[in-house]
Amino acid sequence: KQEVTQIPAALSVPEGENLVLNCSFTDSAIYNLQWFRQDPGKGLTSLLLIQSSQREQTSGRLNASLDKSSGRSTLYIAASQPGDSATYLCAVRHQAGTALIFGKGTTLSVSS
Amino acid sequence: EAEVAQSPRYKITEKSQAVAFWCDPISGHATLYWYRQILGQGPELLVQFQDESVVDDSQLPKDRFSAERLKGVDSTLKIQPAELGDSAMYLCASSLNRRYEQYFGPGTRLTVT
Repeated sequence: KQEVTQIPAALSVPEGENLVLNCSFTDSAIYNLQWFRQDPGKGLTSLLLIQSSQREQTSGRLNASLDKSSGRSTLYIAASQPGDSATYLCAVRHQAGTALIFGKGTTLSVSS
Repeated sequence: EAEVAQSPRYKITEKSQAVAFWCDPISGHATLYWYRQILGQGPELLVQFQDESVVDDSQLPKDRFSAERLKGVDSTLKIQPAELGDSAMYLCASSLNRRYEQYFGPGTRLTVT
């Protein structure tokens, strides 16, 4: 059974720092991996989606990498801002057409 | 920009009462998902529809939960009777088809007292 783990569970950084969020999964046979952002009490906003054949995706200050063989993904946030404060969720799709399997998330707090 | 709509946004109900949630997916999206997210956890799939058919409901507690998507468009998730442990965020997502990216709605926060 696929399991997704996110470390750390919580992270506090001062504004301007570059940071890395980690995601690991137990079964490397994935279809794709997706990073989401969730503000308190809100739904999920998709940040980046990486297909299994890709190594990384970039959007603005965000960069996500995927190493399928080691079962790991990282989300790199450059020059963090207080508006980046949220919970970041990693999710994998085992096969095309199946539902997402989520980690528990990393709660990020960026102080000004 | 098209969005997934959910209502109500918040619901407080007493234990043993019935409760229902509604989801309207992005127009043209054939696949619809209901997820449940307990506080501090990641979302977990309850049920997946392809058009009006259930594709996966293996994690749906069928003794108390039911879901339908009669015309293959909007969907309703029902709980009867509600239990204290059902307190959670209920998220709806849709995708163009099963292989495509999922888009999430704002969720319904359920509190059972």
